[in-house]
Amino acid sequence: DIQMTQSPSSLSASVGDRVTLTCRASQSISSYLNWYQQKPGNAPKLLIYGASSLHSGVPSRFSGSGSGTDFTLTISTLQPEDFATYYCQQSYTTLRTFGGGTKVEIK
Amino acid sequence: EVQLVESGGGLVQPGGSLRLSCSASAFTFSGYSMNWVRQAPGKGLEWVSYISSSSSSIYYTDSVKGRFTISRDNGKSSLYLQMNSLRADDTAVYYCAREMVIGFQDGFDIWGQGTMVTVSS
Repeated sequence: DIQMTQSPSSLSASVGDRVTLTCRASQSISSYLNWYQQKPGNAPKLLIYGASSLHSGVPSRFSGSGSGTDFTLTISTLQPEDFATYYCQQSYTTLRTFGGGTKVEIK
Repeated sequence: EVQLVESGGGLVQPGGSLRLSCSASAFTFSGYSMNWVRQAPGKGLEWVSYISSSSSSIYYTDSVKGRFTISRDNGKSSLYLQMNSLRADDTAVYYCAREMVIGFQDGFDIWGQGTMVTVSS
């Protein structure tokens, strides 16, 4: 199975900051990488699919990049509603696997 | 409004069984593959199972193979997860999720609110 590793596991940031989250796959997954946002008590929401395509309705301050094994999610200007946990997920194989998540907290 | 609503969770003893349901509305259910994803308390997301739109392809994560069975009824716009031989580590919120496909890429674009399964004596 493909293992997905996210770093850091948590970070503290301020409103207005530029934030970059990292996800690494245990083998090449081309661009088959998705990002989700989850707030406490809520279901996850799809942000990015195909490593860099913004899902409908997602603010343009979110962007994704990468291919192969290394990927990043960038929030250009952190907003109060962006404090949440972010998960990457590979869709290269039928056994979809998620990373362990990065919790973005208020500094 | 496009929606998924799970039901069927609850408290069950180790070794017991439970059947989860996921009811879809406001979209053509038969046109989409579906998934179950779970989240143990305070933990991350874990993909559990996949079923294609016609039920021709089915996959499971290793830890539930032989114990869980995914199925669907397109006529009823419903997805199911039959869970047998439940263990304490199956305790989690279970989400159903729709799989969207755009070109060669896909993602889980619609999620239910989740249903809690607690396995405990």
